Amino acid sequence: DAGVIQSPRHEVTEMGQEVTLRCKPISGHDYLFWYRQTMMRGLELLIYFNNNVPIDDSGMPEDRFSAKMPNASFSTLKIQPSEPRDSAVYFCASTSQGGLNSPLHFGNGTRLTVT
Amino acid sequence: KNQVEQSPQSLIILEGKNCTLQCNYTVSPFSNLRWYKQDTGRGPVSLTIMTFSENTKSNGRYTATLDADTKQSSLHITASQLSDSASYICVVKRNYGGSQGNLIFGKGTKLSVKP
Repeated sequence: DAGVIQSPRHEVTEMGQEVTLRCKPISGHDYLFWYRQTMMRGLELLIYFNNNVPIDDSGMPEDRFSAKMPNASFSTLKIQPSEPRDSAVYFCASTSQGGLNSPLHFGNGTRLTVT
Repeated sequence: KNQVEQSPQSLIILEGKNCTLQCNYTVSPFSNLRWYKQDTGRGPVSLTIMTFSENTKSNGRYTATLDADTKQSSLHITASQLSDSASYICVVKRNYGGSQGNLIFGKGTKLSVKP
């Protein structure tokens, strides 16, 4: 099992550019989460999917952020246009519906720097 | 307000020593409490998940305790090793309509183990 795979690991871009982050969840997991981590705020939930359907996107900061899950093995988080305050580490996580006590499995994140 | 507070913010100990990390929460209704370990540059990894009825749970040299009455948890690390240097994050899940998104994260305790 390769775990949750995220790409790229690092992304440096200029303000105003479009950024796309990618995630491949663990095979068989039917929940996928996008989190953002900063020193000030810790880990924050942005959006999560169940069976490829967005369930709760109330954590998405604003319309500049969008997420898709076209199939069970792939999800993207897009920021357009990017701003310096979007600089953070973005994590994707997945879990199975094995009960509410299933742990989240995190990828190793994408460190985004917007200059 | 649903909150998870961790203490101390950071801790330095010598290799071989024991330490205890604290987590206080005001999350309600309570479903379970999780401890995650996050190495630098990596995603969090689950250590333990404790439900309301569990007072103690061990995972190798890690022992978590839960007092649901006082809404406190602790993570005890025995005979620390250099590889224990990481951030430890306490996460409480709300029992809210079966949603998988109701995880409240603490900001973590950064542990440094020195030789």
